[in-house]
Amino acid sequence: TAGITQAPTSQILAAGRSMTLRCTQDMRHNAMYWYRQDLGLGLRLIHYSNTAGTTGKGEVPDGYSVSRANTDDFPLTLASAVPSQTSVYFCASRRDAISGNTIYFGEGSWLTVV
Amino acid sequence: DQQVKQNSPSLSVQEGRISILNCDYTNSMFDYFLWYKKYPAEGPTFLISISSIKDKNEDGRFTVFLNKSAKHLSLHIVPSQPGDSAVYFCAATGGANSKLTFGKGITLSVRP
Repeated sequence: TAGITQAPTSQILAAGRSMTLRCTQDMRHNAMYWYRQDLGLGLRLIHYSNTAGTTGKGEVPDGYSVSRANTDDFPLTLASAVPSQTSVYFCASRRDAISGNTIYFGEGSWLTVV
Repeated sequence: DQQVKQNSPSLSVQEGRISILNCDYTNSMFDYFLWYKKYPAEGPTFLISISSIKDKNEDGRFTVFLNKSAKHLSLHIVPSQPGDSAVYFCAATGGANSKLTFGKGITLSVRP
């Protein structure tokens, strides 16, 4: 998806190790999000940031942390990975955190925790 | 408690026929609704949206209908094409600083 870059595309991680999923957007969007997609569960919000310098917890925040030091970047960190964090992770953004603004997604990061 | 529900996990239709994808919501604060389409190994892409002040929005082959009293919306695809085969997510949002809440998705298969 144009404008949002995620890295890595895929990763196999040993349980107990830490990892940071990177997300960068060049659309100068204020609001950014991290979702995970799991079979049968749809897209669930992990953490969000309505503007640089602020973050908030979504539906499933446990085991994850985020930071928003600037407008463009919104990294997601797993401090000590567990197998249940095996999932596809999508970073997303929108101009502002208000209704009527469309959310745009990155291409996803496939993470397998073994 | 699931606020956005897509109760049918899958739908199969013949090419050229109409596809109707349904979505129900429970939160009365939702005032903007979106449909996303997702192909395997790709991120979700925005398809069409509708504000709660409208009951219909049309974009080419895609039309979204909103019934606020029933807290129900549906996506109609006419005519359906094999390239429409994908997972479709319904999403809703409402109010300031509102986050987007997604349904579980429905897998549409369009048979040639």
